[in-house]
Amino acid sequence: AQSVTQPDIHITVSEGASLELRCNYSYGATPYLFWYVQSPGQGLQLLLKYFSGDTLVQGIKGFEAEFKRSQSSFNLRKPSVHWSDAAEYFCAVCHSGGGADGLTFGKGTHLIIQP
Amino acid sequence: DAGITQSPRHKVTETGTPVTLRCHQTENHRYMYWYRQDPGHGLRLIHYSYGVKDTDKGEVSDGYSVSRSKTEDFLLTLESATSSQTSVYFCAIRESTGGNQPQHFGDGTRLSIL
Repeated sequence: AQSVTQPDIHITVSEGASLELRCNYSYGATPYLFWYVQSPGQGLQLLLKYFSGDTLVQGIKGFEAEFKRSQSSFNLRKPSVHWSDAAEYFCAVCHSGGGADGLTFGKGTHLIIQP
Repeated sequence: DAGITQSPRHKVTETGTPVTLRCHQTENHRYMYWYRQDPGHGLRLIHYSYGVKDTDKGEVSDGYSVSRSKTEDFLLTLESATSSQTSVYFCAIRESTGGNQPQHFGDGTRLSIL
């Protein structure tokens, strides 16, 4: 069965500093990978996705993520965080077979921005 | 934003009562999903639908049933609510073209069972 691990439950970063959120997945074939962000009381917004091709993908709000097959990782990065980036971040994997299967999510990383 | 409306947005009810949550979409997407979100667990799939009257179970389906009589509506029912079903419930939709389309989420329903 597929699984996603986000090792960091909480991360605190100073405003303007760089950010990296870790995500490791377990899946037998090439996965479809996603990062979502959730602000308090809101639904999930898609930041970026990886299906194939270039292993460095760009997303919205200045985020990027790099797929590393050898490490089974899909880490999210941002060069300079803003106070508005404070939120919960979820990494997710989907069956790449084209079926109706839902997403398998990590447990999330809560990002705190210090002034 | 994807045209997804969840109703109600908040509900408080008592143990043993039936509860139905509604997800309505205006995108005409084929696939619809129900997840629950709990602290320390992330989001977990309850049920999903791949067409009208076509549904299947997800990871945490016990105690829940679903129905989809129209493309635009996907209902989640708790036949006899229990306190362990207190959670935030999210509906998601996905386009039918290809397996690599992302899911888009509604704003959630916060359900408290006393």
